Amino acid sequence: DSGVTQTPKHLITATGQRVTLRCSPRSGDLSVYWYQQSLDQGLQFLIQYYNGEERAKGNILERFSAQQFPDLHSELNLSSLELGDSALYFCASSVGAGARYGYTFGSGTRLTVV
Amino acid sequence: AQSVSQHNHHVILSEAASLELGCNYSYGGTVNLFWYVQYPGQHLQLLLKYFSGDPLVKGIKGFEAEFIKSKFSFNLRKPSVQWSDTAEYFCAVIRGANNLFFGTGTRLTVIP
Repeated sequence: DSGVTQTPKHLITATGQRVTLRCSPRSGDLSVYWYQQSLDQGLQFLIQYYNGEERAKGNILERFSAQQFPDLHSELNLSSLELGDSALYFCASSVGAGARYGYTFGSGTRLTVV
Repeated sequence: AQSVSQHNHHVILSEAASLELGCNYSYGGTVNLFWYVQYPGQHLQLLLKYFSGDPLVKGIKGFEAEFIKSKFSFNLRKPSVQWSDTAEYFCAVIRGANNLFFGTGTRLTVIP
């Protein structure tokens, strides 16, 4: 157990639907990062939040959004889902705002869009 | 922007063989490099990291990596692999100030 908790572990949904993925960072970590892992794209950085505020944005689609709440947990919202959104979505956390000390990853949420 | 590339997509070794996985980074000033491992069905775990100082970095589980500035490389090595080392290995570099950019990964299969 890495200390980063992601729910649900698996999600199967239909195209056009909307889902919410949840992440609780490791105790004491203020930053949350979201990554998408797919066979063809590898690990793609989506977005980072630090202490409730958006800090950096990567290859995140407009159909996707995220937020970090006062208790520091984060949610990634994926809407108008397409087959190509099927992937493993990882959350990671770190103590500070930067990546210098590396991340602690959660076990991921496997999203299947049918 | 900083990036890394991993040219070996899949490596197959017998137990006790020596391992070297390639990672090349693009030049961009200060370089902070990482190796992560992802065992089947598990989350990514940090193996080792390099910021500065001794270019030979030792990590967990007997892994090490050498930062060679002249070759823009940060290859991962292990003298003798075990079946339990079967996993996917990712090289990563800090991009900007805030996030890690990962290579495409190398799948290692160790045959008993």
